[in-house]
Amino acid sequence: SQQGEEDPQALSIQEGENATMNCSYKTSINNLQWYRQNSGRGLVHLILIRSNEREKHSGRLRVTLDTSKKSSSLLITASRAADTASYFCASEGSSNTGKLIFGQGTTLQVKP
Amino acid sequence: NAGVMQNPRHLVRRRGQEARLRCSPMKGHSHVYWYRQLPEEGLKFMVYLQKENIIDESGMPKERFSAEFPKEGPSILRIQQVVRGDSAAYFCASSPPSSGGARTGELFFGEGSRLTVL
Repeated sequence: SQQGEEDPQALSIQEGENATMNCSYKTSINNLQWYRQNSGRGLVHLILIRSNEREKHSGRLRVTLDTSKKSSSLLITASRAADTASYFCASEGSSNTGKLIFGQGTTLQVKP
Repeated sequence: NAGVMQNPRHLVRRRGQEARLRCSPMKGHSHVYWYRQLPEEGLKFMVYLQKENIIDESGMPKERFSAEFPKEGPSILRIQQVVRGDSAAYFCASSPPSSGGARTGELFFGEGSRLTVL
């Protein structure tokens, strides 16, 4: 399968806690992106990290990338009930055509 | 600035009928992508188009599926003789070109068209 893998598949935490999601991919990449999807809705881009970057921050989001292990993690700090959604990583290969390989996603539930 | 517009949002077809899904990219975006999402799964790439050109269709099934992005009007994903296995959410995404004509990294997704085949 060309799909990436994410773990955990599902995560349930209390508001205020941190949530960490992991993603692995198979081939060399140009960049790796994280998207969020609310139930029944489209995907919203959260953050992009390039292959020559190791860590990136955006608000309460922190993304790391380890190209030697072909893995990435997304950390959401101080979670809120509104963060409840599915989170997908997507890797873009070196062809830079916009063809993204998505992981299976992590379903995050943040309890108020 | 309107986002990526997809219609219809929901479509019901009987086996053997045709489904046409439309996508208008964001203003100024010249790159259009179609992805398919089966229930409880991630998205799978289908096709990448620029105006009047198919750039990468490696994810398109060999039969019954076609896509176009004409000079004028929206991009269309067409599924002929639908089968139950075609039931899925179909997402369109667009991205702007960089100054050199190549695309940038982030994709902007529409809300999706959910196809149900009875």
